[in-house]
Amino acid sequence: QQQVKQSPQSLIVQKGGISIINCAYENTAFDYFPWYQQFPGKGPALLIAIRPDVSEKKEGRFTISFNKSAKQFSLHIMDSQPGDSATYFCAARDYGGATNKLIFGTGTLLAVQP
Amino acid sequence: EPEVTQTPSHQVTQMGQEVILRCVPISNHLYFYWYRQILGQKVEFLVSFYNNEISEKSEIFDDQFSVERPDGSNFTLKIRSTKLEDSAMYFCASTGTVYTDTQYFGPGTRLTVL
Repeated sequence: QQQVKQSPQSLIVQKGGISIINCAYENTAFDYFPWYQQFPGKGPALLIAIRPDVSEKKEGRFTISFNKSAKQFSLHIMDSQPGDSATYFCAARDYGGATNKLIFGTGTLLAVQP
Repeated sequence: EPEVTQTPSHQVTQMGQEVILRCVPISNHLYFYWYRQILGQKVEFLVSFYNNEISEKSEIFDDQFSVERPDGSNFTLKIRSTKLEDSAMYFCASTGTVYTDTQYFGPGTRLTVL
């Protein structure tokens, strides 16, 4: 119930293409769903996030689509660039524990080819 | 922009030795976290800390681990007797309040246990 399942494990996209990463969860107590971007040797950096009362959120080239009934959410990167090459983690916040801990997915290694 | 800092960036230690990993959270934040990322794996929650006490800990956070906020700025993670399997990246994170969405992560400390 505490898991967040993420797919695919790795993704290769051509420059200008759309990158799509999917996540699914079980725990209905999760109340906030961030996506983090991580470059090698660096800490995770918040990219974009959504709450379950919204079905879509867009910030620049990054869009989160959220399907509450299916307990699924996805990250879409439009016009993917080589600089987007990184590991992407979806996460879910477990507010039920009153500590706001984040449960992370297993990560997707994105490579954008020039 | 305020950021979470961590020292050292890389720590090498012998099995059985004690290590202390240090973090300086963002100055007006109240909630502090440690997460761990074994090489190539997902980021895992270790412990959360508020008001000078642990508010939640994971199964990973056994008696060998402890956290402390020794002064108004530092937040430390101590591993009393390191094991080979403790080798990982350790990330500190902080957030303003339990109602604040964003957790800000530090750059991490790479711990290598030989």
